[in-house]
Amino acid sequence: DAKTTQPPSMDCAEGRAANLPCNHSTISGNEYVYWYRQIHSQGPQYIIHGLKNNETNEMASLIITEDRKSSTLILPHATLRDTAVYYCIVRVEGNSGGSNYKLTFGKGTLLTVNP
Amino acid sequence: NAGVMQNPRHLVRRRGQEARLRCSPVKGHSHVYWYRQLPEEGLKFMVYLQKENIIDESGMPKERFSAEFPKEGPSILRIQQVVRGDSAAYFCASSPDSPKTQYFGPGTRLLVL
Repeated sequence: DAKTTQPPSMDCAEGRAANLPCNHSTISGNEYVYWYRQIHSQGPQYIIHGLKNNETNEMASLIITEDRKSSTLILPHATLRDTAVYYCIVRVEGNSGGSNYKLTFGKGTLLTVNP
Repeated sequence: NAGVMQNPRHLVRRRGQEARLRCSPVKGHSHVYWYRQLPEEGLKFMVYLQKENIIDESGMPKERFSAEFPKEGPSILRIQQVVRGDSAAYFCASSPDSPKTQYFGPGTRLLVL
């Protein structure tokens, strides 16, 4: 799986949009971009994933650049409960063999939402 | 967390005792994964199981650790003769198929005294 680079920490004001960047310049054509978050003392929570098109769900939006070398997770209206470590992970989806089931968690970005 | 259940949530053991961690996957999911998070570190893959089969245990220590996912009942991660270095949060995840999205449980926090 391709490696990802994220800033170690970010701050955001409550009610504002939080934009979390991720670089994955070595991503392969069949690798998806996944985002999880881990609120303190809880299990990782799946947020969203995408291949090349922008994606949106009830939690967030995922913007992937045209060359797929980077992406941005957008929380449109951050709340205090969004304070967490956010992980960007790239992995293959589909039966391509190998150990693509292993999720590789880096250090992520600690997002702190301030009142 | 889409319904993955883990118990106990907290477990305290003395050195040399056994720890049994249980994981019930999301209903309908037949693939289970265990991850360990040591203090101040990221999650690390331990083992991947399907019903009655261990698919990949490459991330699990060779000794004292074992995992199973029987035909009926939860998946069990068993740690024999625990040592202080086993103190960590153990997370279970499940998916309907191996490359699909994994949903995590709340974790079991093991403290070895």
